[in-house]
Formats: sequence, structure tokens, C-alpha cells
Amino acid sequence: DAGVIQSPRHEVTEMGQEVTLRCKPISGHNSLFWYRQTMMRGLELLIYFNNNVPIDDSGMPEDRFSAKMPNASFSTLKIQPSEPRDSAVYFCASSLGGPGRGDIQYFGAGTRLSVL
Amino acid sequence: DAKTTQPNSMESNEEEPVHLPCNHSTISGTDYIHWYRQLPSQGPEYVIHGLTSNVNNRMASLAIAEDRKSSTLILHRATLRDAAVYYCILKGGGSEKLVFGKGTKLTVNP
Repeated sequence: DAGVIQSPRHEVTEMGQEVTLRCKPISGHNSLFWYRQTMMRGLELLIYFNNNVPIDDSGMPEDRFSAKMPNASFSTLKIQPSEPRDSAVYFCASSLGGPGRGDIQYFGAGTRLSVL
Repeated sequence: DAKTTQPNSMESNEEEPVHLPCNHSTISGTDYIHWYRQLPSQGPEYVIHGLTSNVNNRMASLAIAEDRKSSTLILHRATLRDAAVYYCILKGGGSEKLVFGKGTKLTVNP
């Protein structure tokens, strides 16, 4: 398997623009996670899905952020409008999923977002 | 989420063993101990996990204290490729969430 695939790898945009980050999880994995990493705050979980349903979005910073998982093989994280403080590396991860198991998360290479 | 405490940084020499400590005094009975690492400019990577017994895999060993309040990740022969930030994370048995702390930055000297 190719692993978790994220696109784009780098995104540079201007404040106020809409940004869409994409993720393809590992085939057969039921859970998908979106993380954000900054120097100040480290790695933070934004939201996660199980069987395409959002389970916990308590980490989503504000209404400007939204995430969808229309099917088992694709998810998007959208920021509208973007602000300079959204600049970070965004990681997507997937796992076999299911509570009560010591499941391993597999991370993508990340999308480095710069909002000017 | 139960908290872990790790040293901010550690240094090792190439081909020597490395012992990375983690304290988790508030661990609950259903918490798994997970270790992930993040190499420079890459996403985190799973290393090993355990519940009560010591665990070995091709990457590392995990030694868990009898009272489970601490654990140690052991790299048997450090290589330059092992230079990374190592995260010790408690993962509840009923949860899928990983809560990352600051981790330990491991420097491996040639």
C-alpha cells in the first residue's frame, strides 16, 4: 500500500482565501484523523472520523475550519477564510479503528500551509 | 487525558543503546502506552506499544514498570536515522485519540 496520501504537499495562499487540504487513507482503514502541528502548540488533533462519521471535532479551532469524509477513501479539511495564524503543517492519519484496541495510526507526509 | 512526562532532549552516540524514559503516574488500568517518533520534516511514525508486559519489535523494546507508572523505550543500537522526536502517549482502551506532548528530542552523534 502507498500509505496515507496527502495533497498538496505545500500550499501558499493569501489571507482571506479558501484552502482545501486532501487526504486519502490507507485502504481498509476505518478511522481517519486530522492533526495540526505548529512550533507553539505542537501536534494537536483537530477532528477524527470513524466509518466516515465525525466522532470528535472538539479540536477544530473555529467555524472557519470544516472537515468532510464523503467516502471511505477521501477526506478534506477546508479553511475559509484563511488567516496567517493558520500557517502550520497539517497531517492526516488513518487506522483500522474501533475503540478498545491498541490501534496504530499511520501518518501522511503532511501539507505545509503558509498563509501570507 | 492522562499525562506523560519526558525529558526535553537526550543525546546518544551511534551504535550505542539508548534508553528513553517516560513517567505516567496517573495511568489508568485500560491505558495503553504508545510510542511514536517524528523524524525531521516527516509525519509521526509508530514505534511500539504495550499494556502491561514488556514488548519487543524490530524497531525497539518497551520496558514497562511493574506498577505501570513509568516506561522506557529502548533502542538497542542507535543509528543516525534514529535522530527524531520521540513521543510517549497514553491511549485509553476505549478511545482512538492520541494526545501528543512535547516529546524527547534525541540527537545521535556519529
